[in-house]
Amino acid sequence: EIVMTQSPATLSVSPGERATLSCRASQSVSSNLAWYQHKPGQAPRLLIYGASTRATDIPARFSGSGSGTEFALTISSLQSEDFALYYCQQYNEWPQITFGGGTKVEIK
Amino acid sequence: EVQLVESGGNLVQPGGSLRLSCAASGFSFSTYDIDWIRQAPGKGPEWVSTISGRGTYTFYADSVKGRFTISRDSSKSTLYLQMNSLRAEDTAIYYCATHRPGNDWFDPWGQGTLVTVSS
Repeated sequence: EIVMTQSPATLSVSPGERATLSCRASQSVSSNLAWYQHKPGQAPRLLIYGASTRATDIPARFSGSGSGTEFALTISSLQSEDFALYYCQQYNEWPQITFGGGTKVEIK
Repeated sequence: EVQLVESGGNLVQPGGSLRLSCAASGFSFSTYDIDWIRQAPGKGPEWVSTISGRGTYTFYADSVKGRFTISRDSSKSTLYLQMNSLRAEDTAIYYCATHRPGNDWFDPWGQGTLVTVSS
């Protein structure tokens, strides 16, 4: 099983600042990585797939990068609606799909 | 608009059974594979099971294999998850989600239904 490790567990950021979230895979997943945003009580929302392709209707302030084992999600200028939990997911070996433990982005 | 609405979550005793449903609308039901994903309190999501668009293929996580059964009724555009021999570690919010075969990311997801296994 590929283990996905996200860091930090919590990121405290002021509105308007830049946030960078990390996701590391225990072995290479090529570019088969997705990012999701999740707010309590709501459906998780796909942000990024293919490590760097924004999903439909996702604002340009969200960007993904990386390949192999190291990935990042960057939010260029945090808006109030961006404070949430974020998860990465690898899909390199279907159906052995795994998710990271999440990063909580909170208001500083 | 694609919509997925889960139902059926409840409090159940260890060893008990429960059937979850996921009503789909706004897309061609047989075009997409449909999945169950769960999230235990304080943990990241865990993929549970997938059924192919026409119901030909099913896949299960090792943690639920032999206990859970996924099925779909295309006439009702509804997905099911029959859960037997439930354990405390099955306690989680259960989400249904869709993906296109070969594009193995999940979009969209439903809002989830809570399953609590406790005596």
